[in-house]
Amino acid sequence: DQQVKQNSPSLSVQEGRISILNCDYTNSMFDYFLWYKKYPAEGPTFLISISSIKDKNEDGRFTVFLNKSAKHLSLHIVPSQPGDSAVYFCAASGGTSYGKLTFGQGTILTVHP
Amino acid sequence: EAQVTQNPRYLITVTGKKLTVTCSQNMNHEYMSWYRQDPGLGLRQIYYSMNVEVTDKGDVPEGYKVSRKEKRNFPLILESPSPNQTSLYFCASSLLGGGIRQPQHFGDGTRLSIL
Repeated sequence: DQQVKQNSPSLSVQEGRISILNCDYTNSMFDYFLWYKKYPAEGPTFLISISSIKDKNEDGRFTVFLNKSAKHLSLHIVPSQPGDSAVYFCAASGGTSYGKLTFGQGTILTVHP
Repeated sequence: EAQVTQNPRYLITVTGKKLTVTCSQNMNHEYMSWYRQDPGLGLRQIYYSMNVEVTDKGDVPEGYKVSRKEKRNFPLILESPSPNQTSLYFCASSLLGGGIRQPQHFGDGTRLSIL
C-alpha cells in the first residue's frame, strides 16, 4: 500500500523553463512533507519542506505547494538548470508514528541545455 | 566534515551468511534511520532510532535487526540474508528537535547483492 505516490517516473524539461514535480498522498495523518534530491552514487540530500499549516514554501528557485484537500503537493523549479538533473523524492511524516518517514517512488528529472 | 559513513559500500555475499552494515555519524544526532531503495518502490524505511537504546520498526523491518548502543553508531544486521534483500541501503541521521521534521543527512549508500 503506497501511501505516497509520485506517478510520473520521469520528466524532461528545457533549461530555463519550469519543472513541476508532483506527489500525492493518501494518509490524512501526514502533516509534514519534504523533498529530497538524489544524484547517482550519492545519498539523497534535503531540498525543501512544508508543514501542513502552510500551503506554500519558497527557497530560491524551489517552491513547494501543498493542497491538503486534494492530498497533493508539487515542487516547482524555476528556472531549471542542467545541474538540477537528478531523482527527486517526496516524503511525508505525521500521525502517531513520530519517527516514521514515508517516501514516494521518485521522479527522474532531466534538464536539457 | 559533517558526515554519515556507511561500510561496506559494496558487498556480494551468499544466502544465509550473517552480515552487518555499519553506520556512523559525527554530528551528535539523536535520530538515525535505515532505508532501502528498490526500482519502482523508492525509499522504504526499515528501522529508526530516536535515541540510544530506542529503536522502532519502519515499513519493511522483516529480516533485519538493528541496535543503538552508542549515539554515533546504528548498525544494520541481516542474520540470515536472502536474495530478496538485494538492494541499495541508506543510513541517515538528524537532530531530533522537531523529530522527523529536521532534514536528514544521508550516507552514500551500501549496495548489497545476496546470491
